[in-house]
Amino acid sequence: GAVVSQHPSRVICKSGTSVKIECRSLDFQATTMFWYRQFPKQSLMLMATSNEGSKATYEQGVEKDKFLINHASLTLSTLTVTSAHPEDSSFYICSARDIGEPNQPQHFGDGTRLSIL
Amino acid sequence: GEDVEQSLFLSVREGDSSVINCTYTDSSSTYLYWYKQEPGAGLQLLTYIFSNMDMKQDQRLTVLLNKKDKHLSLRIADTQTGDSAIYFCAETYTGKLIFGQGTTLQVKP
Repeated sequence: GAVVSQHPSRVICKSGTSVKIECRSLDFQATTMFWYRQFPKQSLMLMATSNEGSKATYEQGVEKDKFLINHASLTLSTLTVTSAHPEDSSFYICSARDIGEPNQPQHFGDGTRLSIL
Repeated sequence: GEDVEQSLFLSVREGDSSVINCTYTDSSSTYLYWYKQEPGAGLQLLTYIFSNMDMKQDQRLTVLLNKKDKHLSLRIADTQTGDSAIYFCAETYTGKLIFGQGTTLQVKP
């Protein structure tokens, strides 16, 4: 089945560091990928929709300059948390939709746990 | 805005059936989904149902959809300890997934 690989799985870094998270579709192409944030014991909150070859669409309240998204190819989207601070610590999950299967479910990565000291 | 509601917690004994309920607001959702999340992991798609269906069965999983009441349920037969996890229902809205809060399923041996 369709596989989405997310890397790294865990990051611990100092406040002020910028952190890049990668989301790859391994066996399918995706013009659209999604980035979610999940706080402990809470649901997933959609942050932005990543569109291949164009600008990402951010949800209300999400700072686009803080969370930079690049979707340069049909198999890779990246989320960069710029100048991260402790309040950015969270579990970040990406998902991708198969370009050839628009009515099929999104496939999710295994998530990245970000801890800012 | 669109909203998906779930009960937060369910506890069952191993071997019993589990029923997790969900209500949603967008009657135009084409698909409705159930995802499973184990601790520290991403989301695993369990099953999904097309909105013109009433029921879908896949091995131990049965999904029931009542479109009139906008009610979705997931039944897990012969629940095992490995089924302990958080279960999210989700609906599609303008191409995006809207998730419920998640139901924590606790399976006691």
